[in-house]
Amino acid sequence: AQKVTQAQTEISVVEKEDVTLDCVYETRDTTYYLFWYKQPPSGELVFLIRRNSFDEQNEISGRYSWNFQKSTSSFNFTITASQVVDSAVYFCALSDWGAQKLVFGQGTRLTINP
Amino acid sequence: NAGVTQTPKFRVLKTGQSMTLLCAQDMNHEYMYWYRQDPGMGLRLIHYSVGEGTTAKGEVPDGYNVSRLKKQNFLLGLESAAPSQTSVYFCASSYSRLEGKTDTQYFGPGTRLTVL
Repeated sequence: AQKVTQAQTEISVVEKEDVTLDCVYETRDTTYYLFWYKQPPSGELVFLIRRNSFDEQNEISGRYSWNFQKSTSSFNFTITASQVVDSAVYFCALSDWGAQKLVFGQGTRLTINP
Repeated sequence: NAGVTQTPKFRVLKTGQSMTLLCAQDMNHEYMYWYRQDPGMGLRLIHYSVGEGTTAKGEVPDGYNVSRLKKQNFLLGLESAAPSQTSVYFCASSYSRLEGKTDTQYFGPGTRLTVL
């Protein structure tokens, strides 16, 4: 069975600090997708990134970066120079290659203090 | 392009009442999904559909039924609501055959349901 673990329930940092959100996954599939979604206080789910299991290249998008390591089954998310607007709950998720059903982690609540 | 919309946004039911949540998408997506979000548990898949006229069970299907009579709509029904079904419900869609396979699920704004 597929499983996603986000061990950090809550993280609180001061603005401009760097912060890393951890994600560890379990799957027996050889092909799969990994995702990060952001859920701001308004409640909607915002897609951040998708990575397929064949592509282990790290990705950077502005202040956001993602580190995918198949050897440790991890897909960690780093925010550099955090801002108050980054405060949200962040979900890591895993999907199969077929029907693309998502399995979510429990989420990490990130609070950026001014 | 409205994306994924959900109706209603909020609803309060009494135990035993029934209701239907409507999800609509205008992205011509083949796949649609219903999730529920409970505090501290992330989102869990209730039912999903890989095409018009097809539905399948997800991780937590008990107490819910779904229908996909039109490609753009996916309905979630509660026949006899229970307090354990108090949750936030999210609909999502993915995969456009015309535009090539897109594997990202896009979510609606959610429906907050309270069962008393």
